[in-house]
Amino acid sequence: AQKVTQAQTEISVVEKEDVTLDCVYETRDTTYYLFWYKQPPSGELVFLIRRNSFDEQNEISGRYSWNFQKSTSSFNFTITASQVVDSAVYFCALSLGPRGYSGAGSYQLTFGKGTKLSVIP
Amino acid sequence: KAGVTQTPRYLIKTRGQQVTLSCSPISGHRSVSWYQQTPGQGLQFLFEYFSETQRNKGNFPGRFSGRQFSNSRSEMNVSTLELGDSALYLCASSSGTGYEQYFGPGTRLTVT
Repeated sequence: AQKVTQAQTEISVVEKEDVTLDCVYETRDTTYYLFWYKQPPSGELVFLIRRNSFDEQNEISGRYSWNFQKSTSSFNFTITASQVVDSAVYFCALSLGPRGYSGAGSYQLTFGKGTKLSVIP
Repeated sequence: KAGVTQTPRYLIKTRGQQVTLSCSPISGHRSVSWYQQTPGQGLQFLFEYFSETQRNKGNFPGRFSGRQFSNSRSEMNVSTLELGDSALYLCASSSGTGYEQYFGPGTRLTVT
């Protein structure tokens, strides 16, 4: 079974501070996919990034960056120079991707409990 | 391109009743998944449909069922509602070739 742990339940930072959200995952499979989603107060989950298990290259997108380390089973998310609009709940998730019956596999996501980020102006 | 749409957005039902939620995926997407979100259990996978076939199911009782139509639209049904079914129900669609799932705004169900 898969498991995703986000140990930080809530984080508060002052605007313009950097903040890192931690994610640790467990799976016995060698092929898997990791995701980060953002959930603003409106409720809709917004896709941020996907990482494949065979690609440990870190990624930067504007103020966002992700650090994937298979050795520690971690996929951490850093927001640089945080803004009030970054306030939301952030979820880390894992999927095993295409496999299973019907030959097409499944995209089932296993989510962490989420980290609520509050950016104070 | 329009996103995932879900109807209704809010719903209030009485214990024992049944409810049907609807989800229209992104145009061209063939995979639709449903998730339940509660404060206590977090986000939990309900089931996934691909080309009108259920290909994966989470650990939920048989009161929870779903189906997918030929146009990829999906419905989820919950029979004999219980208070614990109060939750945000999220629908997600995927192209079937990519791995990302794109979520709709959700249906907030309250059971009284």
